Amino acid sequence: DAKTTQPTSMDCAEGRAANLPCNHSTISGNEYVYWYRQIHSQGPQYIIHGLKNNETNEMASLIITEDRKSSTLILPHATLRDTAVYYCIVRVAGNQFYFGTGTSLTVIP
Amino acid sequence: DAGVTQSPTHLIKTRGQQVTLRCSPISGHKSVSWYQQVLGQGPQFIFQYYEKEERGRGNFPDRFSARQFPNYSSELNVNALLLGDSALYLCASSLELRGSGQPQHFGDGTRLSIL
Repeated sequence: DAKTTQPTSMDCAEGRAANLPCNHSTISGNEYVYWYRQIHSQGPQYIIHGLKNNETNEMASLIITEDRKSSTLILPHATLRDTAVYYCIVRVAGNQFYFGTGTSLTVIP
Repeated sequence: DAGVTQSPTHLIKTRGQQVTLRCSPISGHKSVSWYQQVLGQGPQFIFQYYEKEERGRGNFPDRFSARQFPNYSSELNVNALLLGDSALYLCASSLELRGSGQPQHFGDGTRLSIL
């Protein structure tokens, strides 16, 4: 099964871009990469997902390396409300999402 | 549009009791999954149901069971509760079982505390 590894924590200055890396070196060719974030006491919130190509939506951009072994989530202009735990997730066996321990992002004023 | 709704939001039980948690998916979503999130850890997969059939099971004991109803809502049952079952239980729904990378959408969970 494909698994993910992420840094435990990161800081980012308010208004700057936050770049959150993820390694998923065992990902198979037909598995998507998903990003979610979780603010304390709430359920995980979907951000973005991709297969091979880079993706962008109103919340973030997702950059996937050509070999698909790693990806980076980019929050272009971080705000205090972006402080959360960010999970990089791959789908394994059926419809099961594998969550690791995520990256705790702190946006500093 | 309503998102995934879970009830109750909080629950306190004692060891040995049984509990039933409920989940209503987003309208039109046919797949429901359940996750357990212990404090300080990421969610762990428990079950996945699609069209009322179990399609996936995580590494949890038989004390955990679930079902999906014709309206696609779902219940998670846990018997013989242990202190270690204290956690946030999350429900997620998606349009399909698999395909086109459809993301899951999560509810805010049920916080279960075992005394």
